[in-house]
Amino acid sequence: QVQLQQWGAGLLKPSETLSLTCAVDGGSFGNSYWTWIRQSPGRGLEWIGEINRVGSTDYNPSFKSRVTISLDTSKNQFSLKLTSLTAADTAFYYCARNLGWLAYNWFDPWGPGTLVTVSS
Amino acid sequence: DIQLTQSPSSLSASVGDRVTIACRAGQNISNYLNWYQQTPGKAPKLLIYATSSLQSGVPSRFSGSGSATHFTLNITSLHPEDFATYYCQQSHSSPPTFGQGTKVDIK
Repeated sequence: QVQLQQWGAGLLKPSETLSLTCAVDGGSFGNSYWTWIRQSPGRGLEWIGEINRVGSTDYNPSFKSRVTISLDTSKNQFSLKLTSLTAADTAFYYCARNLGWLAYNWFDPWGPGTLVTVSS
Repeated sequence: DIQLTQSPSSLSASVGDRVTIACRAGQNISNYLNWYQQTPGKAPKLLIYATSSLQSGVPSRFSGSGSATHFTLNITSLHPEDFATYYCQQSHSSPPTFGQGTKVDIK
């Protein structure tokens, strides 16, 4: 059964870059897409973007100029970088697997989440 | 982006109650609608996918229905562990979007 573990810096300053990594335990990248989602009280749940095992990515246009998702297949890990942080980027960040076929897509499982706080 | 609006935003109920949560989409999303449950301090957990398919391991007291723009999540008899926040999510169009959540708390 696939489980996700995630880590990264939790306290950053405005203008800095967020960097998080998610490890896929109990399975390979397979044919799934691997996703980053964030959650904040003001903006709710927001899909940031995703990547598949060959490195094809899809990003939310809201983040597109600031976000990079990459993967390391040798370590079964994928990563998120978000640049030019502001206080509005303060949120819980989750990694998740995007399962399904065609337009039937759902997120399962999710990582435990990482609280990222942006403050000077 | 496709907007999803859940109602109510919160509700109070008792153990054993039947609960219905609605999710309305801003445009026709066919049946590309999923439901998640989130308890405090935890990540969301998939309950139902493709409107009405129960995720493995999820109790049968949970069910989903609907199509096009109107969807519902039903819990036939609330258990203590069901007090949580529930979210709908559409996969019809990118970017995937979520409803704002419905918090179910103890009356």
